[in-house]
Amino acid sequence: DTGVSQNPRHKITKRGQNVTFRCDPISEHNRLYWYRQTLGQGPEFLTYFQNEAQLEKSRLLSDRFSAERPKGSFSTLEIQRTEQGDSAMYLCASSLGLAANTQYFGPGTRLTVL
Amino acid sequence: AQKITQTQPGMFVQEKEAVTLDCTYDTSDPSYGLFWYKQPSSGEMIFLIYQGSYDQQNATEGRYSLNFQKARKSANLVISASQLGDSAMYFCAMREGSLGGTSYGKLTFGQGTILTVHP
Repeated sequence: DTGVSQNPRHKITKRGQNVTFRCDPISEHNRLYWYRQTLGQGPEFLTYFQNEAQLEKSRLLSDRFSAERPKGSFSTLEIQRTEQGDSAMYLCASSLGLAANTQYFGPGTRLTVL
Repeated sequence: AQKITQTQPGMFVQEKEAVTLDCTYDTSDPSYGLFWYKQPSSGEMIFLIYQGSYDQQNATEGRYSLNFQKARKSANLVISASQLGDSAMYFCAMREGSLGGTSYGKLTFGQGTILTVHP
């Protein structure tokens, strides 16, 4: 399978706990994006990596959120001290080369905070 | 102001018929791209079609075509010969910014249109 993969697919956690999601982009895609999608809405941009450098972060990304892409391949998104408002689908996308190129999405991680 | 507007929360179409999903956008950037994605109930966003702001012809990909009217800032998706498997949420998205410039390619999405195909 050469598509974008995300793990876990579902995560249920209690308020206040930390969670970490992983995204494996399409091989050799140097650009990686994280989006968040709440029920009934379109995805909203969270952050962007070009290789290992995090070049842009949305104001939606509070201090409780941190993302890394240590070797320019897979990426992790961590949420500390989760809140019920963090419940959403977290989508990862990757693309190759120019910013104009098409982003291909993974299946997403659905987070439920109880 | 909304950058991407999809005014149809839901659309119904009979199998084998064509359907148009509306999308209007707002940008002052001369260089931008417009995308349509399909999201089935499984949640994965599936890329369908792309139109660049400088493209002279409307984009087509199989049964999908994009009716690009630049002056009206609209980028409607046309699905011909609808199939039951086309039932899903459809999102219009825009990438702003000049190629090779400071744009990092982030997408801004509309709120989506739920398409239901009846047999």
